[in-house]
Amino acid sequence: DGGITQSPKYLFRKEGQNVTLSCEQNLNHDAMYWYRQDPGQGLRLIYYSQIVNDFQKGDIAEGYSVSREKKESFPLTVTSAQKNPTAFYLCASMGYVGAFFGQGTRLTVV
Amino acid sequence: DAKTTQPPSMDCAEGRAANLPCNHSTISGNEYVYWYRQIHSQGPQYIIHGLKNNETNEMASLIITEDRKSSTLILPHATLRDTAVYYCIVRVAGFGNEKLTFGTGTRLTIIP
Repeated sequence: DGGITQSPKYLFRKEGQNVTLSCEQNLNHDAMYWYRQDPGQGLRLIYYSQIVNDFQKGDIAEGYSVSREKKESFPLTVTSAQKNPTAFYLCASMGYVGAFFGQGTRLTVV
Repeated sequence: DAKTTQPPSMDCAEGRAANLPCNHSTISGNEYVYWYRQIHSQGPQYIIHGLKNNETNEMASLIITEDRKSSTLILPHATLRDTAVYYCIVRVAGFGNEKLTFGTGTRLTIIP
């Protein structure tokens, strides 16, 4: 089945460590997105990519980095520079009809 | 992309029609209105989209005003499973260098 997969679903890390969240899609979509969601809040755009080897900062890119080496993959690294990394992270890809989302990764930094 | 404005929360009785409004007064002629919903701790799910004509699918109906500055998502017979946050966004359909942003949405609570 076509879809977008995020892994892992839950992730725990110690403060000061970098962590990479995985996002893979087999929908053949060019555009991919990363969002952050805090409790009771809406989705805030971190980074997006329209094509392989190219990406743009969203509204809250500080403390995050991405890569887009393959069309199917758009991993997000939460670096130690991100002051409040504990959040729910959502990845999406965009087709003609609209955006398709993964089920999210809940990151907890202790 | 044009911005949208939605009420932060709404309640609806189970079995009644839920009408969720969205204002998009700066929408451009080639921008579509899209609706998504997010059930707690899951990824948002596509519901429906439209340009200027009213649209209906198995999940909902979308009514867009003639001037396209506002729209209403209608869930005809709301059930408890429709309790979710509903997002209205506008975008150009197709492909392009777009920064896709979501607002804070409307938290819909279905009352038994």
